[in-house]
Amino acid sequence: GESVGLHLPTLSVQEGDNSIINCAYSNSASDYFIWYKQESGKGPQFIIDIRSNMDKRQGQRVTVLLNKTVKHLSLQIAATQPGDSAVYFCAEAKGNTNAGKSTFGDGTTLTVKP
Amino acid sequence: KAGVTQTPRYLIKTRGQQVTLSCSPISGHRSVSWYQQTPGQGLQFLFEYFSETQRNKGNFPGRFSGRQFSNSRSEMNVSTLELGDSALYLCASRAGAAWGNSPLHFGNGTRLTVT
Repeated sequence: GESVGLHLPTLSVQEGDNSIINCAYSNSASDYFIWYKQESGKGPQFIIDIRSNMDKRQGQRVTVLLNKTVKHLSLQIAATQPGDSAVYFCAEAKGNTNAGKSTFGDGTTLTVKP
Repeated sequence: KAGVTQTPRYLIKTRGQQVTLSCSPISGHRSVSWYQQTPGQGLQFLFEYFSETQRNKGNFPGRFSGRQFSNSRSEMNVSTLELGDSALYLCASRAGAAWGNSPLHFGNGTRLTVT
């Protein structure tokens, strides 16, 4: 599908800084969006999700922003820590029963420098 | 509550062989999905099972199949293995449709190497 917005495959930040990871999704009909974190040797781990009737959702140190007009999703991590170093994936799903069939983005590798 | 458990952790097989991978979902989760992860293609959806029925299927050849048992445990099978099947196979469970959209909870995967 068409890609809009800036997606970086890698991101390097200083410990304590804020991180912003961007994702362009492809299906305008998608109504459920999820961010996952994958550490080396492990499966993806759920971070935060957002439904299409919202444009912002906050968790502990993380915020997800959704812009449906340009099909763009972002994950903000406040006060980034070395333990945040991982690959981050956005995922999209359509319909109430289809989150099991999520479509994943390419992933962004976040490196936190001490 | 125990997480998603996948066995075995590593497998080495030869071209032409078949393989069966196993997944035990989180207790109470009735939906199990399988994904293939490779460096080139990323995370690709294989199929999803809910209450022993295949609910969704991805774009993989018929050599890839799966099933789910009455206790929600799931297996996937790949027949006539090809070199390109080398990948990390991830299983994920979720609470299911009755609870609306909910995120996937992944196991740590089975690393399959085909030689």
